[in-house]
Amino acid sequence: QVQLQESGPGLVKPSETLSLTCTVSNDSVSNYYWSWIRQSPGKGLEWIGYIHISGNTNYNPSLKSRVNMSLDTSKNQFSLNLRSVTVADTALYYCARLLPGVRFGFGHWGQGTLVTVSS
Amino acid sequence: EIVLTQSPGTLSLSPGERATLSCRASQSVSNYYLAWYQQKPGQAPRLLIYAASSRATGIPDRFSGSGSGTDFTLTISRLEPEDFAVYYCQWYGSSLYTFGQGTKLEIK
Repeated sequence: QVQLQESGPGLVKPSETLSLTCTVSNDSVSNYYWSWIRQSPGKGLEWIGYIHISGNTNYNPSLKSRVNMSLDTSKNQFSLNLRSVTVADTALYYCARLLPGVRFGFGHWGQGTLVTVSS
Repeated sequence: EIVLTQSPGTLSLSPGERATLSCRASQSVSNYYLAWYQQKPGQAPRLLIYAASSRATGIPDRFSGSGSGTDFTLTISRLEPEDFAVYYCQWYGSSLYTFGQGTKLEIK
């Protein structure tokens, strides 16, 4: 059974960069599409983007100008960088694996990590 | 941009009863890309249904999905105590994933 675990700072200052990593177990990041999703009381569940080993990435247009994702096959991890954060980026951040392809939804999720943006 | 509206916001039922949850899209969408999730407090969402009516691995057959066009339904045939949670629909289209705002299923 694939397992995903998010890690990163729980507190980020406004205008700085939020950086999170997802470590994958019992699967390879060279397979499937990998995604980041966040959840906040105000905005509910919001998809951030996905990445594939082929280099294919796709980001939510509302965040595209501030987002970058990458894969590290040597560590079996993928990462999220979100630049110029504001308090509106405070949320529970999940990493997830899509079902085969990109169309059918998020079949496996990490437990989530809370990120607070505050000075 | 497609907006998914779920109803009701809260549904109060008893164990053993049938639950019917609705997800309405702001315009007609392909049912191939409609999914349902269950989220319990302190947990990540769990995929229940994909392609509108296909159960994900390990999901009990009391969960079923249906619908097409703009109207989709998640049905739980006989509620078990562990089914009380928040349910979300989600659609993929135009290279974007959109979630509904959720329906809370609570014990009456």
